[in-house]
Amino acid sequence: DAKTTQPPSMDCAEGRAANLPCNHSTISGNEYVYWYRQIHSQGPQYIIHGLKNNETNEMASLIITEDRKSSTLILPHATLRDTAVYYCIVRGTGANSKLTFGKGITLSVRP
Amino acid sequence: DTEVTQTPKHLVMGMTNKKSLKCEQHMGHRAMYWYKQKAKKPPELMFVYSYEKLSINESVPSRFSPECPNSSLLNLHLHALQPEDSALYLCASSQYGTSGYSDTQYFGPGTRLTVL
Repeated sequence: DAKTTQPPSMDCAEGRAANLPCNHSTISGNEYVYWYRQIHSQGPQYIIHGLKNNETNEMASLIITEDRKSSTLILPHATLRDTAVYYCIVRGTGANSKLTFGKGITLSVRP
Repeated sequence: DTEVTQTPKHLVMGMTNKKSLKCEQHMGHRAMYWYKQKAKKPPELMFVYSYEKLSINESVPSRFSPECPNSSLLNLHLHALQPEDSALYLCASSQYGTSGYSDTQYFGPGTRLTVL
């Protein structure tokens, strides 16, 4: 079973920040939060991951709450090419390190 | 470079055919994965190879047969498939796999399989 809960869809205006929420209230101490996205009919693309601290890379920022029960993926300046399904995944290590995809959130960026 | 390549991009086969999907990576990763994705569904894990040995088989039917000839190459042999096996087949690789590290998986573009 997926360990995360995401809204089914959201939209944002091009050029604005897109804030994608994810709840993972049962996350355990050694589990990471990963974000992938999948543009229509392509393979999933890795975006970012984190354990406790906030993370930023060239694609996005990941904000994890102090209790680690939720997180937010931030695309700072959304473009039309960011329209995709975004998957928030909680993943452990070792034998528990499988990526189990939930339903994800469909982000639609409007002009 | 985080590229995983898959061939062919599209494949149409009959239920009596035998075909193979190929996946390749040159990132020095030691774990490779096969996923299946049905239309409008999330990807589902099928197999994991770690250091060229099959480490996870998610109860996949025997008509799907994986093979890892070396650490850079992963094949999926298909035989006697059913129309419901039509899907996008995705390959991924990661540096360590299930050896105790939470390492990032990088996906290929997938092979779109249609079984007639």
